[in-house]
Order: sequence, then structure tokens, then C-alpha cells
Amino acid sequence: SQTIHQWPATLVQPVGSPLSLECTVEGTSNPNLYWYRQAAGRGLQLLFYSVGIGQISSEVPQNLSASRPQDRQFILSSKKLLLSDSGFYLCAWSYSGDLYNEQFFGPGTRLTVL
Amino acid sequence: AQSVAQPEDQVNVAEGNPLTVKCTYSVSGNPYLFWYVQYPNRGLQFLLKYITGDNLVKGSYGFEAEFNKSQTSFHLKKPSALVSDSALYFCAVTGLGGGSYIPTFGRGTSLIVHP
Repeated sequence: SQTIHQWPATLVQPVGSPLSLECTVEGTSNPNLYWYRQAAGRGLQLLFYSVGIGQISSEVPQNLSASRPQDRQFILSSKKLLLSDSGFYLCAWSYSGDLYNEQFFGPGTRLTVL
Repeated sequence: AQSVAQPEDQVNVAEGNPLTVKCTYSVSGNPYLFWYVQYPNRGLQFLLKYITGDNLVKGSYGFEAEFNKSQTSFHLKKPSALVSDSALYFCAVTGLGGGSYIPTFGRGTSLIVHP
């Protein structure tokens, strides 16, 4: 069966510090991968998505970046965190190729920037 | 462009009563519709989806949803609510005409089931 892992589960970082959040998927190959941010426990904001290694699409201009160094690994990074980067970060995957494939979400990372 | 509206921020229902969480959508072409549930401090979990065929879709945990093309709606329902159903519910849509397979999510509806 397929599983998705995210770490760390929680993170407290000072303003201006770097960030690296990691997401890995097991049990499938060539998945579509997604990073979302959820603020205040409500709506999802799509940050990045990837259809393959090294292929990253950005949905929102900001000080975050993403990379996909391996087929089932998706990394969210920042060189300098802002207060507004606080939130709940969710990684998700879906089978590639069809519009009707549902997404499978990881457990999330709670980021607090102080 | 595709969009989803969840008109209620919060739905309150007594345990044992039927529940409905509303969702309307806008998309070019045929829609693919999804419902997800999120418990506090957890990721979203897939409940059910509509692709084609029968307008009544059955999913996990006793939930079902009814696709209504003329009203562009996909309301989530359950005949008898449980306190454990209390959570945040998201509706999402993708469509062929949108030019993207990225789903659009609604803002979420908080379901509170009272004992």
C-alpha cells in the first residue's frame, strides 16, 4: 500500500532563518506531488506542484521554493522565513495522468515563525 | 476557470439526525468532484468522488453525495450523524475544460455534531 510521510511534525523558527520541509511517498512511482499551506485551519492554498523529477510549477509568488530531487521526494524550502510563513503545510500526492484521481495527504507540518 | 463554493462556514446538527454539507461548483466541461474530511491537526482524507454515471455516490464512513448537474451542486450527506463526524469538510473540483488537472478546493465547512 501507499504511504506518505512528512517531517518534521512541528517546527518553531525565528524570522530570517532557513526552512526545509520534506515529504516522501512510498509504494507508488511517478506520482504527482503537491505542497499546500493552510492558514487558521481553513482554506488550502496550493503552493507548488510537480509532475516529475525536476519539474516544479509555482502557483503563488513568495519566498518559498520547492524541489523534487527524486521521484518520490518533494522538498519545500526557504532561505529566509517571514512571519507570514507560519501555517500548516500539507504535502499530497495523486496518481498521474487523469483528472479524476483523488489526492492523498500527509499528516502535515505545523510551522510557527517567531 | 473553475471554482467551488461552500456557502456555510459551519453546520450544526444533533447526533442521530441527518446532515447535509453544501457544495456548488463552476467548471468548463464535465466536472470531477471530490469530498475530503480533515480532523484537527491532521491531513485531509478522501471521502468520495463523482466521475460519471450514477448521481448518488457512496463513500467512506457512511457518507454519500448527490451530483446535480442542473444545479451545479454536489452536496455531502449522511442519514444519521455521529459526534465523531465533527470535522472540517472540503469540496473540490477539476474539469477537462479548465486546462489543468489541479483541483480547486472550497474554503471548507466545519461540521459540529452535538451529543
